[in-house]
Amino acid sequence: SQELEQSPQSLIVQEGKNLTINCTSSKTLYGLYWYKQKYGEGLIFLMMLQKGGEEKSHEKITAKLDEKKQQSSLHITASQPSHAGIYLCGARSYNAGNNRKLIWGLGTSLAVNP
Amino acid sequence: EAGVTQFPSHSVIEKGQTVTLRCDPISGHDNLYWYRRVMGKEIKFLLHFVKESKQDESGMPNNRFLAERTGGTYSTLKVQPAELEDSGVYFCASSQPGLGEAFFGQGTRLTVV
Repeated sequence: SQELEQSPQSLIVQEGKNLTINCTSSKTLYGLYWYKQKYGEGLIFLMMLQKGGEEKSHEKITAKLDEKKQQSSLHITASQPSHAGIYLCGARSYNAGNNRKLIWGLGTSLAVNP
Repeated sequence: EAGVTQFPSHSVIEKGQTVTLRCDPISGHDNLYWYRRVMGKEIKFLLHFVKESKQDESGMPNNRFLAERTGGTYSTLKVQPAELEDSGVYFCASSQPGLGEAFFGQGTRLTVV
C-alpha cells in the first residue's frame, strides 16, 4: 500500500474555480514537500511544511499541514491554465539528521479548461 | 544560474546492455540525490550523496546499479546489465546543506527493450 495517499488522482476544473488536493499518511511526517511537474520537465518546488498546523501561501496556492502532521492539503484559488500539471507530495518519514529519503504520493494530474 | 542538468533526456537500450546516466547538480550544492519513477508507481528514492560520499544508498535496487560522484561534482548512475524492469524516469536533484528545497533535473527516461 502507498505510504502517501494523494487524492484525487486527477482533476479537471474550469478556469477560475477553486480546488483542493490532499496528501495523507498513516505515519507522522517530518517535512512535507509539494512539487509540481509539467510534462517533460523536472519537478518544481512549491512549498515545504514542517510544523503541525503550519500554513504557507504563494500567489494563489496555499498549503497546510494538519496538527498531527499526517495530512496536508494544497488549495488553488481561482485556477488558471498555467496551474495545469502534476502535483506531487513528498515527505520525510523519519526525523534524523540530513535524511532526504523522501517518500512520494502518486501525484494528482490537474487540467484547467479555459 | 544553471539548474540541475541530466543527460541524456531519453535512452532506449536492449536488455543486457549498459547505460550510464549523468547528473550535473547546481554549482555549490553538496547534496545530490537520485530518484526513479517506474510507470504507474510513485517516485522512489535511490541514493543520496553528500559531496563525494554516499550518505544513504538504501534505495538502490540491486548491485546492477552503481552510482558515483567523483570529486563531489557531477554524478553518474550506471546500470549494468540493464533489465526490462529498470525502465522508468530517473530524476536527479541537488540541494544545499539543510532540509530546504531540492532542485530537480528534467529526468532521464530510460526504456529497456
